[in-house]
Amino acid sequence: DAKTTQPTSMDCAEGRAANLPCNHSTISGNEYVYWYRQIHSQGPQYIIHGLKNNETNEMASLIITEDRKSSTLILPHATLRDTAVYYCIVGSGTALIFGKGTTLSVSS
Amino acid sequence: KAGVTQTPRYLIKTRGQQVTLSCSPISGHRSVSWYQQTPGQGLQFLFEYFSETQRNKGNFPGRFSGRQFSNSRSEMNVSTLELGDSALYLCASSLEVLPDTQYFGPGTRLTVL
Repeated sequence: DAKTTQPTSMDCAEGRAANLPCNHSTISGNEYVYWYRQIHSQGPQYIIHGLKNNETNEMASLIITEDRKSSTLILPHATLRDTAVYYCIVGSGTALIFGKGTTLSVSS
Repeated sequence: KAGVTQTPRYLIKTRGQQVTLSCSPISGHRSVSWYQQTPGQGLQFLFEYFSETQRNKGNFPGRFSGRQFSNSRSEMNVSTLELGDSALYLCASSLEVLPDTQYFGPGTRLTVL
């Protein structure tokens, strides 16, 4: 079973920041937090991952709480093309276990 | 650099038949994982191969099998197809074993009639 809990759906206005939360209260010390997204009928796309520190790349920022029990993916300026299912995954050395994810709908 | 490619993209089979799906990883990637995606169960891990060896296996029956060749290309086989095997089968490659970042292909859409 997935070790993460995410809201089923979220809405965001185009141009605004999208903040997607994820709870992973049973995360182990050596487990990473990964974020992938899947646009309809395509394969999942890697976004970002982190262990303890906050991370930023050209797509998004990942904020991990100090106790590592939760994290937030931030898309700083959401566009219509960011409409997708976003998966938060916790894992290390084994298979990536995908949960149901959050369906993010970006509207103009 | 070319991405992960999967062939065929679409496939229609009948119950009882067997099917082989192919995956070519990104050049230089040595790990290949397979996933099944259905509306009801979501994305489920099938197995992972690294250096021609199966490293991890998900909770699927023995009808699902796979292999990896010396050039890292991988195939998965499903024998005695059932209606419930209709799904999108996704292949993902990574440089090293999990938890290295995985890059997914577009998938093969299998329909079992």
